Amino acid sequence: AQSVTQPDIHITVSEGASLELRCNYSYGATPYLFWYVQSPGQGLQLLLKYFSGDTLVQGIKGFEAEFKRSQSSFNLRKPSVHWSDAAEYFCAVGGMEYGNKLVFGAGTILRVKS
Amino acid sequence: DSGVTQTPKHLITATGQRVTLRCSPRSGDLSVYWYQQSLDQGLQFLIQYYNGEERAKGNILERFSAQQFPDLHSELNLSSLELGDSALYFCASSIRGVDEQFFGPGTRLTVL
Repeated sequence: AQSVTQPDIHITVSEGASLELRCNYSYGATPYLFWYVQSPGQGLQLLLKYFSGDTLVQGIKGFEAEFKRSQSSFNLRKPSVHWSDAAEYFCAVGGMEYGNKLVFGAGTILRVKS
Repeated sequence: DSGVTQTPKHLITATGQRVTLRCSPRSGDLSVYWYQQSLDQGLQFLIQYYNGEERAKGNILERFSAQQFPDLHSELNLSSLELGDSALYFCASSIRGVDEQFFGPGTRLTVL
């Protein structure tokens, strides 16, 4: 069965500092991987996705993620965090083998201190 | 704005009642998904429809049902509501079955 682990429930970084949010997945076949962001009271916005090809993917708002099959990881990174990045971030895995439903991690709440 | 709309935005009701949540997918999207977000369970997949037909089912309770209409909008029906059904219900849509999913703003259901 699919599963996603986001080991950090909360992360606090200073504005301008770099960010890395961790995501590990368990999946029986080639995964489709996603990062979504949710601001308070809002829906989920897709930041980036990985289906195949280049393992380093670029997303919106200056985010990138790297797929590492050997580590079953899909960590999200940003070189310089802005106060507006404070939100909750969700990693998700999906794919054809499981009817394309998304399985989400528990989320990581990012706090940005000025 | 993802292009997915959900109504109502908020819903407050009592235990034992029945409610209907509505979702309109992005123009051109054939697949609709329903998810439930709660504090204890996180984001959980409920059910998927593709072009009017049920495609996949998650941990959806028997008290819950959904359908997708010919115009591709979808409704999620929740009946015999319990306090534990209080949650944020999201609808998402995608072009086909294997694509990125775009989420609506959600319906916050409060059962008193």
